[in-house]
Amino acid sequence: ETGVTQSPTHLIKTRGQQVTLRCSSQSGHNTVSWYQQALGQGPQFIFQYYREEENGRGNFPPRFSGLQFPNYSSELNVNALELDDSALYLCASSLDQGGDSPLHFGNGTRLTVT
Amino acid sequence: QKEVEQDPGPLSVPEGAIVSLNCTYSNSAFQYFMWYRQYSRKGPELLMYTYSSGNKEDGRFTAQVDKSSKYISLFIRDSQPSDSATYLCAIYNFNKFYFGSGTKLNVKP
Repeated sequence: ETGVTQSPTHLIKTRGQQVTLRCSSQSGHNTVSWYQQALGQGPQFIFQYYREEENGRGNFPPRFSGLQFPNYSSELNVNALELDDSALYLCASSLDQGGDSPLHFGNGTRLTVT
Repeated sequence: QKEVEQDPGPLSVPEGAIVSLNCTYSNSAFQYFMWYRQYSRKGPELLMYTYSSGNKEDGRFTAQVDKSSKYISLFIRDSQPSDSATYLCAIYNFNKFYFGSGTKLNVKP
């Protein structure tokens, strides 16, 4: 069984640029969510996709957007990067939406904005 | 008020000690509770999942939910240096998982 994989593992961007992060969900999982984890903090919910539709969003501005594809893989796009966007971005998949389907995380993409 | 709050530690214990990690949450209606372990430079790994109240045991790990106090705990028996990591509690509500800030644990040989 293949777990959640994310790419790239590290990325350095300049303020104002745009970035796309990618995630392959665990086999059999139809729900993908994205989290931002600043250093020394817990993951903060960005949004969730269930069967290609966004069905939950955290307190993040519209310049954070995403997609889920028919194979349930996903992308996170961030436009107009700011210094505060520097963080570990985690993708998580789950068997289904709902609290009875715990999250399974990838190892994240470390984004540095200079 | 945050949905879930966690003492950040750090917590340092000798090998073999019993470790107690704790979180409080804001809403008594929450039903789903989880504990994750995160090693440095890795994603969080699911350790324990509990629905509603009571205890759940898995090897050296016991998760406890006290709904009357809105308190969740993770106990680690016979702690090992390999348990050194950051432990995150999490709750689920309305299509969102909320995480505590994590407690960093160091188990000294």
